[in-house]
Amino acid sequence: QLQLQESGSGLVKPSQTLSLTCAVSGGSISSGGYSWSWIRQPPGKGLEWIGYIYHSGSTYYNPSLKSRVTISVDRSKNQFSLKLSSVTAADTAVYYCASSYCGGDCYPLDYWGQGTLVTVSS
Amino acid sequence: DIVMTQTPLSSPVTLGQPASISCRSSQSLVHSDGNTYLSWLQQRPGQPPRLLIYKISNRFSGVPDRFSGSGAGTDFTLKISRVEAEDVGVYYCMAEYTFGQGTKLEIK
Repeated sequence: QLQLQESGSGLVKPSQTLSLTCAVSGGSISSGGYSWSWIRQPPGKGLEWIGYIYHSGSTYYNPSLKSRVTISVDRSKNQFSLKLSSVTAADTAVYYCASSYCGGDCYPLDYWGQGTLVTVSS
Repeated sequence: DIVMTQTPLSSPVTLGQPASISCRSSQSLVHSDGNTYLSWLQQRPGQPPRLLIYKISNRFSGVPDRFSGSGAGTDFTLKISRVEAEDVGVYYCMAEYTFGQGTKLEIK
């Protein structure tokens, strides 16, 4: 079964760029049928889908964040990344990475990382 | 954009008793392929969310059979036949990259 682990800076200054990486183990990030997502959760609040990248490299971004988000894949390291630019305090949240598989059947967000708290503060 | 609305937002339940959570979407979730990609996730305190149910009523691997999902079109329900202590947490419905607000299940 897949295992995902987020890493990156836990503290980002306002107006700077948040950068996170999700390392995937137990399977190949290039395997057909998989997409790789970023989801965030502000403290004490609900979930927000940031975007995802398919195994093919195509991406989908939440329209509310699209102008600031980039998700990319590094196949050599079996990991994918999130960059969120021009951050403000409203971007403070626990950031999760997750997988989805759609082959014979579709399993959305079937495996999750443990999450990493990113705080935006000067 | 689809809006997912859950009720109730909080649900105090007695151990061993059933619980039910509703989710309504602002538009039909029937996909062009004929499937309805409505899922339920559970988030226990301090844990990441976990997939419970996919395509309305299919339990994901390892999910106890006391969890069941039903519904069609725009109205869906998650039921727990007999609540156990480990079921405490927040439950989210999800479709088309949109989550409901979450329903907090707690023990009376």
